[in-house]
Amino acid sequence: DIQMTQSPSSLSASVGDRVTITCRASQGIGYSLAWYQQLPGKAPHLLLYAASELETGVPSRFGGSRSGTDYTLTISSLQPEDFATYYCQQYNSSPLTFGGGTKVEI
Amino acid sequence: QVQLVQSGSEVKKPGSSVKVSCKASGGSLSSFTITWVRQAPGQRPEWMGKITVPLDIVKYAQKFQGRVTLTADKSTDTATMILTSLRFEDTAIYYCARGGDWMTIWGQGTLVTVSS
Repeated sequence: DIQMTQSPSSLSASVGDRVTITCRASQGIGYSLAWYQQLPGKAPHLLLYAASELETGVPSRFGGSRSGTDYTLTISSLQPEDFATYYCQQYNSSPLTFGGGTKVEI
Repeated sequence: QVQLVQSGSEVKKPGSSVKVSCKASGGSLSSFTITWVRQAPGQRPEWMGKITVPLDIVKYAQKFQGRVTLTADKSTDTATMILTSLRFEDTAIYYCARGGDWMTIWGQGTLVTVSS
């Protein structure tokens, strides 16, 4: 199975900050990576797919990039509604696997 | 906009089975792939499998092979997940979601608690 390692596991930030979250795949997955946001008690919500494609309706302050087997989610200017847990997920091969999550806190 | 509406919470004994349903509201399920994901308390989501509804093709995670069954009824736009031989560690929120690679629409989740 492909292991997805996310870092950091948590971070503290303020409104307006630029935030970067990293996900590393244990083997090559190309651009087959999605990012989700999960608010407490809610289902995950798709932000990006294909490493950098923004899902319809997601604000443009969310962005994604790839460098080899490292993937980055960037929030350019953190908003109050962005305090949540973020997960990466690879879909290059079964079983689909998720990263361990990054909790973004105030 | 299609929504996925799941059945309510369940409390089950170890060794028993649970059935979770997922109904498409505001649209048809017949052109979707439905993926099932579970999330234990404080843990990362875990992929269980998917069903490509138009073709009735099912793929299961090896971890759940033999214990999970995914079906879909096009006439009622309802997908169903059955998990058998329940263990305490199966306690989790179970989600259905649209999409076989990335998941665009998620159900609200169904809490399954395994307790003696």
